[in-house]
This record gives sequence, C-alpha cells and structure tokens, in this order.
Amino acid sequence: SVLTQPPSVSGAPGQRVTISCTGASSIGAGYDVHWYQQFPGRAPRLLIYDNNNRPSGVPDRFSGSKSGTSASLAITGLQAEDEADYYCQSYDSSLKKVFGTGTKVTVL
Amino acid sequence: QLQLQESGPGLVKPSETLSLTCSVSGGSISDRRYYWGWIRQPPGKGLEWIGSIYNSGSAYYNPSLRSRVTMFVETSMNQFSLKLTSVTAADTAVYYCARQEYTSSGYFDYWGQGTLLTVSS
Repeated sequence: SVLTQPPSVSGAPGQRVTISCTGASSIGAGYDVHWYQQFPGRAPRLLIYDNNNRPSGVPDRFSGSKSGTSASLAITGLQAEDEADYYCQSYDSSLKKVFGTGTKVTVL
Repeated sequence: QLQLQESGPGLVKPSETLSLTCSVSGGSISDRRYYWGWIRQPPGKGLEWIGSIYNSGSAYYNPSLRSRVTMFVETSMNQFSLKLTSVTAADTAVYYCARQEYTSSGYFDYWGQGTLLTVSS
C-alpha cells in the first residue's frame, strides 16, 4: 500500500488519540482522504469523507484533517465502543484507489 | 435505504474463474452520481480495492489485478458483477461490493456485508 498507517494506537477512556496516514504520491498530490471504521467480522463503515466531513450518524468526536503528505483521524473522548480497525483511503495516479495499511485502536 | 448484497460460490478451485454478483436495492445502479466497486480483504489483513464500474459499463481496475479482472453491469437487474480468472490461494478473501462517489478519490459510502471466497482444491 502507498498509504502508511501505524499498526496500532491505544488510549484510556476519555482520552484523545490520533491516527496518521501518509502518502506522498496520493495525499501529497492533493487527493482527498477518507476514513473507515471496521469491527471484527463486519463490513467497513464510512467515518470521514473528503478529509474532514462526517456522514450523518457519525459522532462528532471523530474528526479528520489533512496537511502536506499526511492526513489524520482524531478521536476525542475515546469510548470503549471505538475499539476497532481504522483505514484511510485516497487516490494514487499510478495505483488508482488505495487503502491505508490499517490501524487497530485499543481502549485501555 | 440503499442495500447491497454479494452472492458467490464460497469455494473455488485453484486456476478456475471466480464470479461474484452484487445486487443493489433501495436505489438505482443507473444513478449518474455513483460508480460501483469491489474491495477484498484477506483473512487478518487489510483492504484492497479491486475495481470500479459505471452504469455505462466503463470500468477501471487495480493495476496489480488488471490482467485477471473483468467487471460487468446489468442495469435491468440492478446488479453488477466481478470475474477473476486463474485464482490462487492468495485470492482467498472476504469480497465486498460498495457504492462509490463519482470522483477520482471517491469514497465508498454503502457496503455489502461481504462474502467469503475460499480458493482450495
């Protein structure tokens, strides 16, 4: 994958955690970034689209940002139900659509 | 509410061709605002985009799979399909179909529940 994420992040309930997504030929080229949440055995769910927009029904403790060759997903006020895998997605001129390597969020 | 449902054989032998279909309900596959895509996830691994198709039949594919992938759209049945030739154990995965917003980095906003495909003799 050309989008690199940390394998795991963790935090205590109520804390703020961030997940980075880095890609020079995708994010750095100016393409939008989207984020998905996935629970074990379930399909991914769109969490953030076009860098910083939340679909209807997504809690406002989830937020996205983008700068340079990286994007970030922040979860403020971490809750036990946020324990899941998170993936970023963008576009690469060579590879077309690309997903990030994925990050497992653990609530301590 | 839009719903997508994948259907397929569950088990395919090595070197054979995989065929999957995605049935769309609660919306039209002819909606000009969207592409329709396939994404897969090997057991315990991350997501991999396979390809996306428009209602006209125009499709684009992951370069790493392009030589083996073909997608079709059947607007009269509100379905789209995936064919993957010469499968190997590396193609064992959960296959998802999804609706994709119509831009180059278009996001996938509705997903099917996924169907597990196992390649084994």
